[in-house]
Amino acid sequence: GENVEQHPSTLSVQEGDSAVIKCTYSDSASNYFPWYKQELGKGPQLIIDIRSNVGEKKDQRIAVTLNKTAKHFSLHITETQPEDSAVYFCAASPNNNDMRFGAGTRLTVKP
Amino acid sequence: DAGVIQSPRHEVTEMGQEVTLRCKPISGHDYLFWYRQTMMRGLELLIYFNNNVPIDDSGMPEDRFSAKMPNASFSTLKIQPSEPRDSAVYFCASSGLGRHDEKLFFGSGTQLSVL
Repeated sequence: GENVEQHPSTLSVQEGDSAVIKCTYSDSASNYFPWYKQELGKGPQLIIDIRSNVGEKKDQRIAVTLNKTAKHFSLHITETQPEDSAVYFCAASPNNNDMRFGAGTRLTVKP
Repeated sequence: DAGVIQSPRHEVTEMGQEVTLRCKPISGHDYLFWYRQTMMRGLELLIYFNNNVPIDDSGMPEDRFSAKMPNASFSTLKIQPSEPRDSAVYFCASSGLGRHDEKLFFGSGTQLSVL
């Protein structure tokens, strides 16, 4: 089955700096790669996703890149703000329903 | 839409007791998932349903765990008997509205503590 590895496990940045979180996956059949943000006491919330036919996708301060050959994808957050502090999860899915999550990255943005 | 609704938010029980977690998916979604989150193992898929039918329960840890979806708007996850190692946050999620719509929407979770 799919195995998703995520790093770093923790990341601390100054407000205004960029943050990058990286993930690798094992199943070449995976074709859907979402990123979720989880705040304390809440469920994960989808923030951006990318499909295998696209190399990069942006949504305001958030971007995701995908390298299918190398089987890795990354989340980029620019101009970080304190409210970006949360745990971020990557995931990979070879079909509609078998989604596997990375272990998570705890991002802290220091004011 | 109110999103995925889970109850209770917190559950504290003693070892050996039966625990029932409840979930109401987003209206119209035809897939429902149960996940468990722990520090050690992260987010684990336990079971998922399509159109109320269990499709894959290979993630269910033991026979003590069971899940049902009697109709499109309700699902339960039951643990009987519960054990301290079942302590975790249990999430329900739903998706659907189309064959290629994989977007998962999670509920707020149930924090389960088994003493």
